Amino acid sequence: KNQVEQSPQSLIILEGKNCTLQCNYTVSPFSNLRWYKQDTGRGPVSLTIMTFSENTKSNGRYTATLDADTKQSSLHITASQLSDSASYICVVTSGYSTLTFGKGTMLLVSP
Amino acid sequence: ETGVTQTPRHLVMGMTNKKSLKCEQHLGHNAMYWYKQSAKKPLELMFVYSLEERVENNSVPSRFSPECPNSSHLFLHLHTLQPEDSALYLCASSQDPSGVGYEQYFGPGTRLTVT
Repeated sequence: KNQVEQSPQSLIILEGKNCTLQCNYTVSPFSNLRWYKQDTGRGPVSLTIMTFSENTKSNGRYTATLDADTKQSSLHITASQLSDSASYICVVTSGYSTLTFGKGTMLLVSP
Repeated sequence: ETGVTQTPRHLVMGMTNKKSLKCEQHLGHNAMYWYKQSAKKPLELMFVYSLEERVENNSVPSRFSPECPNSSHLFLHLHTLQPEDSALYLCASSQDPSGVGYEQYFGPGTRLTVT
């Protein structure tokens, strides 16, 4: 059964600090992995997409990594801002179109 | 804004009511989706429409009835719901429901409370 596990479930950090969110998956066959940001009261918005051959991709202060051998991904946020407070969802695509969603990590950036 | 709008944003309904959720996408996509998002659970795919035809229905109870009159509009008709149906209902669209790398664009969701 395809599964995506995210950790931690929730996280509180001080503004300006860095943090790393984890995503482990058991999805086959693997096509790509996305990180979404979901602000409260809004729909998810894509941050990055990574395919099998990519191991790092950045989008501003967000940097995603992928280790296809260990089936792990991380999302690193640098110099956090209050606006980074949101839920971060890891989504893995298998085959051509099947998506498996993680439960998300709730991040709170405190002033 | 992502180009996907949903109305209403909030809805409270009794178990005997009938209501409809509306989704509209302005991105020229040809696939649309309904998702259910409950607290502390992953997003659950409910329905997929491609070129206005339903291509996937993940064993959703019949009290949820989708309608896709054209590639820009998607409805979710609700009747005789249960309290456990209370959740955030998200609509999404994409260029192509098949093929590697397609991205789904989500609307803001409708927060549904069943009393």
